[in-house]
Amino acid sequence: DAGVIQSPRHEVTEMGQEVTLRCKLISGHNSLFWYRQTMMRGLELLIYFNNNVPIDDSGMPEDRFSAKMPNASFSTLKIQPSEPRDSAVYFCASSLWVRGYTFGSGTRLTVV
Amino acid sequence: AQTVTQSQPEMSVQEAETVTLSCTYDTSESDYYLFWYKQPPSRQMILVIRQEAYKQQNATENRFSVNFQKAAKSFSLKISDSQLGDAAMYFCAYLIQGAQKLVFGQGTRLTINP
Repeated sequence: DAGVIQSPRHEVTEMGQEVTLRCKLISGHNSLFWYRQTMMRGLELLIYFNNNVPIDDSGMPEDRFSAKMPNASFSTLKIQPSEPRDSAVYFCASSLWVRGYTFGSGTRLTVV
Repeated sequence: AQTVTQSQPEMSVQEAETVTLSCTYDTSESDYYLFWYKQPPSRQMILVIRQEAYKQQNATENRFSVNFQKAAKSFSLKISDSQLGDAAMYFCAYLIQGAQKLVFGQGTRLTINP
């Protein structure tokens, strides 16, 4: 089992550019979560999907953020346009019911 | 709203000693799960230990054990025989049965002194 795979591992972009973060779930897991980690706010849940359906997107900061899950094994988080305050580590995690999450290695996003 | 509080931003311990990290949570639910995650400098989030609220017996995983006090809403992590590789941020987290939203505390940075 390859675990949860996130790409890219690091991303540096200029303010105003579109950023797309990618996540591949563990096979068989039915839930997908996107978290953002910053020093000031800690780990924040942005959105989660259950069986490919978005369940709770109340943590998405604003309309510049969008997430999709086109199939059971893949998800994207898009920021358009990006701003410096979006700089953070973005984690994807997957789970099978309440056994606990398995996290990817995260994407460190820097917007300059 | 459910909250998780880790009152110790930083802790340090001598190698081979025992250290306890504190966590309290606030909930009106009776059925839930509690977790401890470790985040080393590699930033990978690693599940350390898991406790079901309906179980009275404290969970253990090798050198890691918890002290779960349901009435006090306390869930501390004890690390025995601390090793240099235990140095990391440790996050306590809470999950309501039937929900899927994992709520994290702010974390405790653990330093192991050789």
